[in-house]
Amino acid sequence: GESVGLHLPTLSVQEGDNSIINCAYSNSASDYFIWYKQESGKGPQFIIDIRSNMDKRQGQRVTVLLNKTVKHLSLQIAATQPGDSAVYFCAEKGNNAGNMLTFGGGTRLMVKP
Amino acid sequence: DTGVSQNPRHKITKRGQNVTFRCDPISEHNRLYWYRQTLGQGPEFLTYFQNEAQLEKSRLLSDRFSAERPKGSFSTLEIQRTEQGDSAMYLCASSYTGKGNTEAFFGQGTRLTVV
Repeated sequence: GESVGLHLPTLSVQEGDNSIINCAYSNSASDYFIWYKQESGKGPQFIIDIRSNMDKRQGQRVTVLLNKTVKHLSLQIAATQPGDSAVYFCAEKGNNAGNMLTFGGGTRLMVKP
Repeated sequence: DTGVSQNPRHKITKRGQNVTFRCDPISEHNRLYWYRQTLGQGPEFLTYFQNEAQLEKSRLLSDRFSAERPKGSFSTLEIQRTEQGDSAMYLCASSYTGKGNTEAFFGQGTRLTVV
């Protein structure tokens, strides 16, 4: 079946550096993608989303890039802070009327002070 | 707090017992979703409601699972005859489908441990 996956299970960065978290997806019909942040014991928290008619979207300290040619999604976090330490999931919405999301397995971001 | 609320936060039960979880979505949200998340994995879709109608169920939702949203507001998820494999975090999310679709907001989840 089609799935969303991540390249790296764990990413360790120095405080102040930029972080890049990658995600590959296989459903070419997906038209909407979201990055979620999940801290221990909490539910996923929306970070940023992007529709398939865009290739870049910026938020506060975060940028999402979408490359539909190679079905690749990335989340860039500028000036990473200790509070950014969490597991990050990409999720896609495929061709479904209910907007159900398919999540990848997650990348743990660890920020070293 | 106007976010998605789930109760209880934690539940420990013996195998074979029934459990029920509750989700209160964001008040104006007409869609409500249930997901299940096991350790180290992303959430997996279980079922969703549009108002009070349950419109889709995943193959993960066995006959022992039942979800309701009787008045189109809060929802309950019941698991009958629990098994150890049911141990997971059960997440509820809600969204609004008025002027275009909005992102789904998740609750804190209910962590179920079956012993």
